[in-house]
Amino acid sequence: SQTIHQWPATLVQPVGSPLSLECTVEGTSNPNLYWYRQAAGRGLQLLFYSVGIGQISSEVPQNLSASRPQDRQFILSSKKLLLSDSGFYLCACNPVGEYQETQYFGPGTRLLVL
Amino acid sequence: AQSVTQLDSHVSVSEGTPVLLRCNYSSSYSPSLFWYVQHPNKGLQLLLKYTSAATLVKGINGFEAEFKKSETSFHLTKPSAHMSDAAEYFCVVTDPFGNEKLTFGTGTRLTIIP
Repeated sequence: SQTIHQWPATLVQPVGSPLSLECTVEGTSNPNLYWYRQAAGRGLQLLFYSVGIGQISSEVPQNLSASRPQDRQFILSSKKLLLSDSGFYLCACNPVGEYQETQYFGPGTRLLVL
Repeated sequence: AQSVTQLDSHVSVSEGTPVLLRCNYSSSYSPSLFWYVQHPNKGLQLLLKYTSAATLVKGINGFEAEFKKSETSFHLTKPSAHMSDAAEYFCVVTDPFGNEKLTFGTGTRLTIIP
């Protein structure tokens, strides 16, 4: 079965600073990968998804970007953080061989922008 | 396009009593439906999923959900609540002929009273 790692677990950053959150997946190859954001008191919002290396689709216009440099690595970045970027960021994967919509989530990164 | 509505943002039940978390969906096609659970400061865990097989779906930890097309509902139930069930629950819908993206409800926070 797959395991999803995210780091860091928590992060406090000043406004205007850069951001890099990393997600790696073990136990499966060529998964679909997803970045979600969960703002306080809200559901999850899909930010980006990737069906393969270098293939990124953005769901909403925003201050963030994503990259997939390796098959099982998915990175969320920003050049300059905004206060509104605060939230809980979750990485998810849809493993090969799993029913196509089933997604498994990592432990998340809690980001606070001050 | 699909959407999902969780009718209650917060539900409180006493330990040992039944749990009912309500979810209604809207979908252009026969949907796939999921329930995820999120314990405090943790990622999301798949509880159960409906993918056009049996309408009564059994999941982990004693939870089950029934797909009712006539009512466009997918309510989550458990006969007897346990203290460890306290968490946030998300109802999720996706279009099985679409692009594998999940649409999340806004969540229901379940509190268990000792």
